[in-house]
Amino acid sequence: NAGVTQTPKFQVLKTGQSMTLQCAQDMNHEYMSWYRQDPGMGLRLIHYSVGAGITDQGEVPNGYNVSRSTTEDFPLRLLSAAPSQTSVYFCASSYSGEDTQYFGPGTRLTVL
Amino acid sequence: RKEVEQDPGPFNVPEGATVAFNCTYSNSASQSFFWYRQDCRKEPKLLMSVYSSGNEDGRFTAQLNRASQYISLLIRDSKLSDSATYLCVVRDSGYALNFGKGTSLLVTP
Repeated sequence: NAGVTQTPKFQVLKTGQSMTLQCAQDMNHEYMSWYRQDPGMGLRLIHYSVGAGITDQGEVPNGYNVSRSTTEDFPLRLLSAAPSQTSVYFCASSYSGEDTQYFGPGTRLTVL
Repeated sequence: RKEVEQDPGPFNVPEGATVAFNCTYSNSASQSFFWYRQDCRKEPKLLMSVYSSGNEDGRFTAQLNRASQYISLLIRDSKLSDSATYLCVVRDSGYALNFGKGTSLLVTP
């Protein structure tokens, strides 16, 4: 199993650009989530999904959209990038919300 | 947002030393507790879950005190490879994990 994969690993955007961060898992996990990690801060939950077709907001959802059309994929869309969205983004998955969450390697995003 | 507080460190210890980290959480209804390890510029990885009865995994011992709302991690016989940031993580009634900011450990020769 590849586990949780994320692409791209690095990305530089200009303010106002949009892009999609990809996340995929091959473990047949129902629960998937997106976190961001900023210096001096703990990881913060952006959005999560408890199964295909179901998504919900986390702690810091503004400026981001998600969808879950398949069990495997959970892309995160930045609608209009802002410098405040410069961060490291981690995708995670688990069998259920109560189980151990496995993290992808992260995407390092810089917004100029 | 429910808080999870950790001493950021850094803790600098020599090889072979014993080191302990503590973590406090604010939500008395929290249900699950974990320690994750994060290496520099890598993703967090589960180190161990923390149970009310306490649990041990090799050189690592985790304990939970629900009355005082704190969690501890003890590392015995520290190795150079233990150098990392240790994240205290708490799950409340929903699915979301609440992360502490992490405690940095540097084990020196």
